[in-house]
Amino acid sequence: TQLLEQSPQFLSIQEGENLTVYCNSSSVFSSLQWYRQEPGEGPVLLVTVVTGGEVKKLKRLTFQFGDARKDSSLHITAAQPGDTGLYLCAGLINAGKSTFGDGTTLTVKP
Amino acid sequence: SQTIHQWPATLVQPVGSPLSLECTVEGTSNPNLYWYRQAAGRGLQLLFYSVGIGQISSEVPQNLSASRPQDRQFILSSKKLLLSDSGFYLCAWSLGSTITQYFGPGTRLTVL
Repeated sequence: TQLLEQSPQFLSIQEGENLTVYCNSSSVFSSLQWYRQEPGEGPVLLVTVVTGGEVKKLKRLTFQFGDARKDSSLHITAAQPGDTGLYLCAGLINAGKSTFGDGTTLTVKP
Repeated sequence: SQTIHQWPATLVQPVGSPLSLECTVEGTSNPNLYWYRQAAGRGLQLLFYSVGIGQISSEVPQNLSASRPQDRQFILSSKKLLLSDSGFYLCAWSLGSTITQYFGPGTRLTVL
């Protein structure tokens, strides 16, 4: 059973466009993380959200944690080719252990 | 600063052969350690995690095993590889109950 569902699975856009990807669950998480992974490398942490309704910004990336702490979104403004990668969300299950979604593969074309 | 190493970076093995992948962490003590497997372009499946030397939790039944002979060393093994063992294997570490995990560069395993 996949606890975290990410959508869309694939997204291909032109440079300069905006986009939003989603991470949804029927379970409540005490915290949720977003990672970005480039081919052949390990995932790199982008952000951690812990409070329902929380919004965090990282340059052109905006992350939101749902009020009920069951879902999250990542919005990218004016996407650039360097944003290309696999975006993964992960929810904390218990101390030290997380579950990952299947990710959204983003391609930004110049 | 902390660093995490994995080797080898790539590996091609025949079906039925043994496997040993190694992960080491530097610059921290008593980390939680994790082994994940990732199919191409997909999410991470947790295989094993360890909160201390000799303490291993297995998440899914499979053809693999893990060991932690030293505080900062985590080894993934198999006695006989299957075709389905092919994938990208990632090691990660975290500290205590903190949720941030730091990933190694991964090992690409192809079983032929």
